Amino acid sequence: AQSVTQPDIHITVSEGASLELRCNYSYGATPYLFWYVQSPGQGLQLLLKYFSGDTLVQGIKGFEAEFKRSQSSFNLRKPSVHWSDAAEYFCAVEGGSYIPTFGRGTSLIVHP
Amino acid sequence: DGGITQSPKYLFRKEGQNVTLSCEQNLNHDAMYWYRQDPGQGLRLIYYSQIVNDFQKGDIAEGYSVSREKKESFPLTVTSAQKNPTAFYLCASSMGGAGANVLTFGAGSRLTVL
Repeated sequence: AQSVTQPDIHITVSEGASLELRCNYSYGATPYLFWYVQSPGQGLQLLLKYFSGDTLVQGIKGFEAEFKRSQSSFNLRKPSVHWSDAAEYFCAVEGGSYIPTFGRGTSLIVHP
Repeated sequence: DGGITQSPKYLFRKEGQNVTLSCEQNLNHDAMYWYRQDPGQGLRLIYYSQIVNDFQKGDIAEGYSVSREKKESFPLTVTSAQKNPTAFYLCASSMGGAGANVLTFGAGSRLTVL
């Protein structure tokens, strides 16, 4: 079975500060990994994905994520946060079932 | 532009009534999904369909029903058997098949039971 844990329910950062959102997964082999973002009252939008190859993946809006097999992690990072980045962020894992499993989400609050 | 359309955006229901949420996609995707979102619980899979005329239960299918008569459409019915139906419902689609399913989401439907 596959599962994903996002340990932080809320993260608060100041505008211009760096950001790291944590994601840990459980799956017996190398999974497919995703980060999605959701603005209030909207659907989810794909930020980036990891399938294979380079463990550092670049996404939209200046986000990046690093796959670390030894830590079963896929943390999302951004060097400088903008107020418009305030949203809910979801990590997802897809293994042999071909159906993504989502984490509970991390709410990002950005202070001016 | 290709995408997924969910309707209605907001829906109010009296207890004991069935309601149907619409989901239409023009992306030519084979797979479609319904998720339920509650605060602090992330997205939970209700039903999914990988091909027309076939669908499977997800983690929380009780009290829900679906149909997949056309590739473009995957309506969800919330029946009176669903004990706590107030939630935000998200429909998604993907190309399907083995692995790496990037989901495209609709804007969601918020159901409130009065």
